[in-house]
Amino acid sequence: QVQLVESGGGLVKPGGSLRLSCAASGFTFSDYYMSWIRQAPGKGLEWVSYISSSSSYTNYADSVKGRFTISRDNAKNSLYLQMNSLRAEDTAVYYCARASMIVVVDYWGQGTLVTVSS
Amino acid sequence: SSELTQDPAVSVALGQTVRITCQGDSLRSYYASWYQQKPGQAPVLVIYGKNNRPSGIPDRFSGSSSGNTASLTITGAQAEDEADYYCNSRDSSGMGVFGTGTKVTVL
Repeated sequence: QVQLVESGGGLVKPGGSLRLSCAASGFTFSDYYMSWIRQAPGKGLEWVSYISSSSSYTNYADSVKGRFTISRDNAKNSLYLQMNSLRAEDTAVYYCARASMIVVVDYWGQGTLVTVSS
Repeated sequence: SSELTQDPAVSVALGQTVRITCQGDSLRSYYASWYQQKPGQAPVLVIYGKNNRPSGIPDRFSGSSSGNTASLTITGAQAEDEADYYCNSRDSSGMGVFGTGTKVTVL
């Protein structure tokens, strides 16, 4: 069965950096677009970024452009999100997600919490 | 505009029908997908494309679209359908966007 397991969340100070990872299993990882989607506490969903199956194309929300970088390693069945210059408003649960049609998510991980606070 | 607007909350009596709407300019060009999210859990895809349900989603969930409005209908709502529901589509840059979310209460 499809499994997506995020790791790397935690508490970080404003201006700091964090790298999230997502380990995928149960499907051919290299066939799918992958995404990071976040949800601030008590708020709605926000699409952060997605990456094509071969890493040739990426897209970012305006709110993270220039600060976050999405990447993947198909040999390791892993997705990453490098987050720099973190702000309090980046505090959220970050979900790793598999996209069946670029912006249609058919599987979600359980999420990892990122807290940006001094 | 890339915004998708939903009513904040709706309620439905057990066994009755409820329709949740999602409005946005992008819906004139792209289908909406719909996700159900229960407290403390990750979202679950319930409808995608014109009106497609993933495996395991009950057929009481259906989707439709007209102009700039997409709708999710639950026919014969059950207690377990109480959740937050989000629509999503894409904006002009190809980025995914989510609706503001609707809390569904089953009375």
